[in-house]
Amino acid sequence: DTGVSQDPRHKITKRGQNVTFRCDPISEHNRLYWYRQTLGQGPEFLTYFQNEAQLEKSRLLSDRFSAERPKGSFSTLEIQRTEQGDSAMYLCASSLEFRGPYNEQFFGPGTRLTVL
Amino acid sequence: AQSVTQLGSHVSVSEGALVLLRCNYSSSVPPYLFWYVQYPNQGLQLLLKYTTGATLVKGINGFEAEFKKSETSFHLTKPSAHMSDAAEYFCAVKTSYDKVIFGPGTSLSVIP
Repeated sequence: DTGVSQDPRHKITKRGQNVTFRCDPISEHNRLYWYRQTLGQGPEFLTYFQNEAQLEKSRLLSDRFSAERPKGSFSTLEIQRTEQGDSAMYLCASSLEFRGPYNEQFFGPGTRLTVL
Repeated sequence: AQSVTQLGSHVSVSEGALVLLRCNYSSSVPPYLFWYVQYPNQGLQLLLKYTTGATLVKGINGFEAEFKKSETSFHLTKPSAHMSDAAEYFCAVKTSYDKVIFGPGTSLSVIP
């Protein structure tokens, strides 16, 4: 078990540029989540996938944001026309769904985005 | 809608002293509650969780938390703080649709 990995760990970009982040979940996990965490705040839910299907999107996920999980394994989060307000830590988590009330989410180390 | 509040954005304790981090939640349905820890520039690690059953739950690194339904609280404690406990701590509640709602976090400092 190598855990959840995210790439890159840090990204600095200029306002207006597009950026893409990648998340590799724990291999047998069928659920994958994206969160955004700004300085001094708790993570905020953005979206989640079950296999390749995107099941829920937060209102925080504007039309400049798009997430995909094409083969039900890794996922990408793209931000188009970045704004300074997009500067944050983007966290990915994965879990294994089973028929029960609870499934623990395992978090990756995050990608820290700085928009200049 | 579910929400989480954490009293005190920053808590300082002396090494060896009791750690108490407060968490209150609101939920229209029976909640699943969690405490996560985050070290600088790292992701979140689950400390402990409450789902059903025993209201006093024990986690890793000597932490424990008690679910009190009447007080809608899930406070985190540790009898004796260690320098390595210095980190950011997040209380969270899970909805039935699998979305986890996090509190704003409490930064714990441990003074030697």
